[in-house]
Amino acid sequence: ETGVTQSPTHLIKTRGQQVTLRCSSQSGHNTVSWYQQALGQGPQFIFQYYREEENGRGNFPPRFSGLQFPNYSSELNVNALELDDSALYLCASSLPGGSGNEQFFGPGTRLTVL
Amino acid sequence: SQQGEEDPQALSIQEGENATMNCSYKTSINNLQWYRQNSGRGLVHLILIRSNEREKHSGRLRVTLDTSKKSSSLLITASRAADTASYFCATDALGAGNMLTFGGGTRLMVKP
Repeated sequence: ETGVTQSPTHLIKTRGQQVTLRCSSQSGHNTVSWYQQALGQGPQFIFQYYREEENGRGNFPPRFSGLQFPNYSSELNVNALELDDSALYLCASSLPGGSGNEQFFGPGTRLTVL
Repeated sequence: SQQGEEDPQALSIQEGENATMNCSYKTSINNLQWYRQNSGRGLVHLILIRSNEREKHSGRLRVTLDTSKKSSSLLITASRAADTASYFCATDALGAGNMLTFGGGTRLMVKP
């Protein structure tokens, strides 16, 4: 157990709907990253938040957005859901200091879009 | 897009044997990390090797890094059935600020 929690565990939505996924980072970690993992593939970086600001973004459209709160917890929001958004969504928290710090992953939220 | 490519994509061995997984990547890196994932659950960090290191050990794990060839290998010695999982390499590219780029993974099955 890493101390990173995610909710909900599973979620089923239909195309066009909106979804919010939540992540609580490990104590003392002010950086949260989100990844999307399609079935049978490696995780792909969506974006990272550091001190409540977006600190980098992968190749994902604007309908993927996020927030980080003063307690460093984070949300991932996806609008206008598409079938291809079905995946395991992982968040990871890390210590301050930038590159080279171990990332601690949560158990993930499995999103199914019908 | 995925920076790393793992080889093989799947590996089946008997308990007690060694398992070797390889990873290739494309850009200059700060470090390379190996993660383990059981049955589509969260990722567990195994080991981090920095770009100025060539080899690192942790228990039954041995990781090598060849930056000239942009490749890394993970060796699990004396494998156990509990080592059955997917293994991913992830690179922290120069200037990327700890934003990891993962490969497609190697699915390891260790038969008792």
